[in-house]
Amino acid sequence: QKEVEQNSGPLSVPEGAIASLNCTYSDRGSQSFFWYRQYSGKSPELIMSIYSNGDKEDGRFTAQLNKASQYVSLLIRDSQPSDSATYLCAVAIRGGADGLTFGKGTHLIIQP
Amino acid sequence: EPEVTQTPSHQVTQMGQEVILRCVPISNHLYFYWYRQILGQKVEFLVSFYNNEISEKSEIFDDQFSVERPDGSNFTLKIRSTKLEDSAMYFCATRREDQPQHFGDGTRLSIL
Repeated sequence: QKEVEQNSGPLSVPEGAIASLNCTYSDRGSQSFFWYRQYSGKSPELIMSIYSNGDKEDGRFTAQLNKASQYVSLLIRDSQPSDSATYLCAVAIRGGADGLTFGKGTHLIIQP
Repeated sequence: EPEVTQTPSHQVTQMGQEVILRCVPISNHLYFYWYRQILGQKVEFLVSFYNNEISEKSEIFDDQFSVERPDGSNFTLKIRSTKLEDSAMYFCATRREDQPQHFGDGTRLSIL
């Protein structure tokens, strides 16, 4: 049974601070890891993808992967009110060929 | 930027009827997926489709569901004999080789 766990929140962060979102997964065969952002009533929007251990940075976003600990995280620097959304962690087993297994998401609130 | 297009945006159907949800993938994308999201719950994988056949399907994707790509452009999800619990957002996602999945805006399906 493939499981992806996230703290549902809400996680409240002051504007300009760093938001840290965490995710754990159960299947050690997982190879591809994604963060999607979902605004209320909208579809998931890809933020970051990461495939190997370590950090990957893209603008204000940094994804971190630790396969030994089965842990993936997303850092958002200089948080803006527009970052307020639900952040979904998603995992694929075989390089993305399989369907994604999603966590329930973390609701992030950026306080102005 | 190219988008995954889904129609209709909202479908209201009587229980027991059949519905067809449509998706137009991004033009050079070869892998297609359907997901659903029941209100307040996580995004769930239904089926993946590649080279005109199903690659993988979840436990949710039973005989009530079918997919096809009838004309080389549209990718459709058919739900036969709909039930109240089929009410959800249905998302189509597509991707290129070795790239992350991109989601359409979704179809909200309401079964009465």
